[in-house]
Amino acid sequence: SQELEQSPQSLIVQEGKNLTINCTSSKTLYGLYWYKQKYGEGLIFLMMLQKGGEEKSHEKITAKLDEKKQQSSLHITASQPSHAGIYLCGAKREGAGSYQLTFGKGTKLSVIP
Amino acid sequence: KAGVTQTPRYLIKTRGQQVTLSCSPISGHRSVSWYQQTPGQGLQFLFEYFSETQRNKGNFPGRFSGRQFSNSRSEMNVSTLELGDSALYLCASSQDSYNEQFFGPGTRLTVL
Repeated sequence: SQELEQSPQSLIVQEGKNLTINCTSSKTLYGLYWYKQKYGEGLIFLMMLQKGGEEKSHEKITAKLDEKKQQSSLHITASQPSHAGIYLCGAKREGAGSYQLTFGKGTKLSVIP
Repeated sequence: KAGVTQTPRYLIKTRGQQVTLSCSPISGHRSVSWYQQTPGQGLQFLFEYFSETQRNKGNFPGRFSGRQFSNSRSEMNVSTLELGDSALYLCASSQDSYNEQFFGPGTRLTVL
């Protein structure tokens, strides 16, 4: 099974609607990253959450980390076509003297004008 | 500051060949990580270099190798290419492993 499960896998919303994407980890979360990717391109860093209960916002995007539930949510308010893309969550995993990111499979968001 | 750059952006190779991909990190960043992205497996960690040393390695065969130079630029090499190596290869840089990673645009490798 996937270490990081994202839901839903895909989402189609009308412009102006709010939406939420969830990311659930099967292991303890030490840090959670959210990225956005346009098809076939690199990842754009959105937010990093490190502490339980932490909440960060940037423009119309808000992310929260629930350490107890080992879950993070990404909420977009009043969605716009520019929000369309694939949203990926990544979790810190300790390696040998450093860390690596393990990613979910992504949530594909389409926003209809 | 310029972002992470990767060259080439697109590459077509045939089975059995080898390929070298290049990544230039953001100025001042010493950590470079490589990832492979495919529709089936998603984004998977290949390896991480810091100060010219490989510090972390994912679960990929020995055909995948890399190195980092003194200016933090990194290269990734894949030998004896297989059809399944077709993927988007992304590199990411950070000041240190414990900071957020910034990704390049990727190199799209197609193996025929």
